Order: sequence, then structure tokens, then C-alpha cells
Amino acid sequence: GENVEQHPSTLSVQEGDSAVIKCTYSDSASNYFPWYKQELGKRPQLIIDIRSNVGEKKDQRIAVTLNKTAKHFSLHITETQPEDSAVYFCAASSNVIGGTSYGKLTFGQGTILTVHP
Amino acid sequence: KAGVTQTPRYLIKTRGQQVTLSCSPISGHRSVSWYQQTPGQGLQFLFEYFSETQRNKGNFPGRFSGRQFSNSRSEMNVSTLELGDSALYLCASSLSSTSGHLGEQFFGPGTRLTVL
Repeated sequence: GENVEQHPSTLSVQEGDSAVIKCTYSDSASNYFPWYKQELGKRPQLIIDIRSNVGEKKDQRIAVTLNKTAKHFSLHITETQPEDSAVYFCAASSNVIGGTSYGKLTFGQGTILTVHP
Repeated sequence: KAGVTQTPRYLIKTRGQQVTLSCSPISGHRSVSWYQQTPGQGLQFLFEYFSETQRNKGNFPGRFSGRQFSNSRSEMNVSTLELGDSALYLCASSLSSTSGHLGEQFFGPGTRLTVL
């Protein structure tokens, strides 16, 4: 089955700096890669996602890049703010009906991001 | 639209008991997935239901089961509870269709289960 590795497990930055979180996946059939942000005591919320037919997607201060050949994707947050402090999870899935990953998100272990004012 | 809701929000049970958790998806969403979240194992997929049928299942023992009703509401059941079942159980709904496109999964607030 799919396996997703996420690094680093913790990341501490100063306000205004950039933060980068990297994930690798194992199943070449995976074609959907969302990123979730989970604040303490709250539900995971989607912040950005990318499908395998594009290499990069940007939404204001957040961007995701995907390298299908190398099977890795990354989250980039620019101009970080204290409210960006949370746990970030990458995930991988496949929309190939009948595949083992269909309808299933396989998550990385999470990155605790702390943004210091 | 109202978001995904889960009931109850908190549960305390003892070993050997069974528990049923409920999830109401966003109106119009037909797919419901369940995940277990623990500090040690992170977020792990339990199963996914679409149109009352289980389409995919994670690597959990048979004590974990689920079902989906015609209105897309879903329940999961855990029988013979063990201490290690203590976790946050999250459900997520999406606009997944029979044609294959997996839409964004929206998570509920979760049910915090504590097994004593």
C-alpha cells in the first residue's frame, strides 16, 4: 500500500521567514495530494491541494510543488505569521476506482510548525 | 451549508465494551471516510463508504466496522474495546462520485474516545 514520509517533524521559524515541508510517497498510482492544517483541538482543514497533472499551485502565501518522477511534493509558506503555527499534514490518494488507495487519504506523520513573533 | 458533524464529541468507556459513533456529512456529499488519530500513529484510514457500500478498508481488525445509511449518514462501531483504541475518531465527507474523481475531504470535529 501507499506510504507517505514527511519531514521535518518540527519546524521553528521567525515571523516573516519562509517555511518548507517535504513529503515523499511510494505508490506511483497516487494522483491527488492535499495538505491539511490542524490547530490544537480542532479538525484538520484543507489549505491547498494538487493533482498529478500540474507541477505547481499557488494560493496567496501558500504554494505546493509536485515532482511525479521523484515522487515527492512540498509545501511552501512565505511571509509566515504567528497564526500559521499549527500541525501540517501532507497526504496522498488515488482516484483510480478499484485501486487500493481510492477514497483513502494516506497521511504523513505531521510537522509541528511554530512561528515566533 | 452546514459542515460535517459528529456525535458524541466525547466518550468514556471501559475495556470490553462496545461503542457506536455517528457522522453526518455535508448535504449532497455521498462519500464518508473514517480516520483514527493518535499521537503515536498519526492519522490512519479506517474505511470509506459511498452509496451505502464500503469501497475501501484500512488495516484495522474486524472489531472496527461501519455502515452508511441511504441519507449518507454513517456510523462506525468498535466492539470489545481495548486500551489502545483510545483516540480521536474523525470522519470526512466528500463529493466523490462513481466516475472516479475524489473531491476534497472535509473533516468533522471528531469524537474523542477514552477507554479505561
